[in-house]
Amino acid sequence: SYVLTQPPSVSVAPGQTARITCGGNNVGSTSVHWYQQKPGQAPVLVIYYDSDRPSGIPERFSGSKSGSTATLTISRVEAGDEADYYCQVWDSVSDHSKWVFGGGTKLTVL
Amino acid sequence: QVQMVQSGAEVKKPGASVKVSCKVSGYTLNELSMHWVRQAPGKGLEWMGGFDPEDGKKIDAQRFQGRVTMTEDTSTDTAYMELSSLRSDDTAVYYCATSIVGAPRYYGMDVWGQGTTVTVSS
Repeated sequence: SYVLTQPPSVSVAPGQTARITCGGNNVGSTSVHWYQQKPGQAPVLVIYYDSDRPSGIPERFSGSKSGSTATLTISRVEAGDEADYYCQVWDSVSDHSKWVFGGGTKLTVL
Repeated sequence: QVQMVQSGAEVKKPGASVKVSCKVSGYTLNELSMHWVRQAPGKGLEWMGGFDPEDGKKIDAQRFQGRVTMTEDTSTDTAYMELSSLRSDDTAVYYCATSIVGAPRYYGMDVWGQGTTVTVSS
């Protein structure tokens, strides 16, 4: 089955830049979306279509993709950015089309 | 402004079924492609199924095929997800999610319900 691989955790000091990666065979040929989820809350879409930001999401959040790896970059990290982050793609290559989520990355702000 | 309000927490016994509702306001269900995602305690997000407007049909995640039924009542703009033959590992928070921008395949899911906790325990 299709798998998206994320690092379990990323730690960064306030004001620094956090980069969270998402790797998978199909990443290069499909749109990648990113979600932020804080404890006890529903996920929030922070990046869609690889690099676009929904209305209301700070410019500090950006997305990029190279080959089979997508990256969520959070610049000038703030304490309020501490959360779990998930990447998501639509897998239409496998026999059974489906949404796939990465395993999630816990961002810790030191 | 779209809102999706889900039904309240449920406690079920193994083998039973649960039906979670998701009422939409600000849009009509006909305008949306509804999906269902769940999250077991301490675990990641897991897509269960939903409507794909590109293919024009509902698609279930293979691991739930035969156990999940997604329906919609357009007269009340309420979507439903019913999961049958419940097991203890179905204990999770269940979310409805959609996109108001366009096809979720390209725009992700920018609107989520608040989640419904389903506990399966004997």
